[in-house]
Amino acid sequence: DIVMTQSPDSLAVSLGERATINCKSSQSVFFSSNNKNYLAWYQQRPGQPPKLLIYWASTRESGVPDRFSGSGSGTDFTLTINSLQAEDVAVYYCHHSYSTPPYTFGQGTKLEIK
Amino acid sequence: QVTLRESGPALVKPTQTLTLTCTFSGFSITTSGMSVGWIRQPPGKALEWLALINWDDDKYYNTSLRTRLTISKDTSKNQVLLTMTNMDPVDTATYYCARMIQGLKDGLDVWGQGTTVTVSS
Repeated sequence: DIVMTQSPDSLAVSLGERATINCKSSQSVFFSSNNKNYLAWYQQRPGQPPKLLIYWASTRESGVPDRFSGSGSGTDFTLTINSLQAEDVAVYYCHHSYSTPPYTFGQGTKLEIK
Repeated sequence: QVTLRESGPALVKPTQTLTLTCTFSGFSITTSGMSVGWIRQPPGKALEWLALINWDDDKYYNTSLRTRLTISKDTSKNQVLLTMTNMDPVDTATYYCARMIQGLKDGLDVWGQGTTVTVSS
C-alpha cells in the first residue's frame, strides 16, 4: 500500500498570512500516460464531512476559493492557503487515487489561527 | 443534485456484523467511471479508507480489514452496502460514503453526512 505522510501534524497561522501543508507519498502517484498526479486534498471543518478542495494535485474543485492552491509531482506535494481566513480553520487531508486501490489518506494536518 | 446518505445501526455489540447502507441520488453507479467508496473516522482521529466499488462491479478493500469487509451494490435501489464482520470497540467511528468519478476528477467529490456507529456491549 502507498503510505501518505503529512507535515506538520498541526500549525497555527495568523489571519491574512500563508499556510503551507506538505504531503509525501511512499511511491510516485504520477501517471506518465496522461501526465496526471493522482493526489487530492480535502478540508474537514469540525463536525462536518470532508470536502474536496484539489484533485490531480493542482486542479481546484468548483467553488473553492482561489486562495487554495496545490502543487507538486511524483511523491511530494503541497497545499498552500494564501491570506488565511477564519473559516479555513479545519483539518486538511491528502489522499491518493493512483492505480488500483487501496487509496490511502494522510494522517491529517490541523490548522488553527495564531 | 448529487447526494449520498448513510444509514445503519447506531449501536452494535462486539462480535456482531455491521451492515451500512449508502443511498444515493443524482447519478447512476452503472455509468462508466463511477465509483462509491466507504471511509471511516474514529472519534478525534484521521480518515481511514475502507472499500470501493466500481461501475463494473470491481471491488477493492483496505488491506488490513479485507477479511472482514464486503461491499456490494443494488443498482435498482441506488444503494451501496458495506458489511463488516466481528465488530470490536476499536471500530467505533463515523462511517462515510462518497462518490468518485474515475477519469474525471479521481477524488471523492461528494460525501454523505456520515453515520456514527458505537461498538459496545
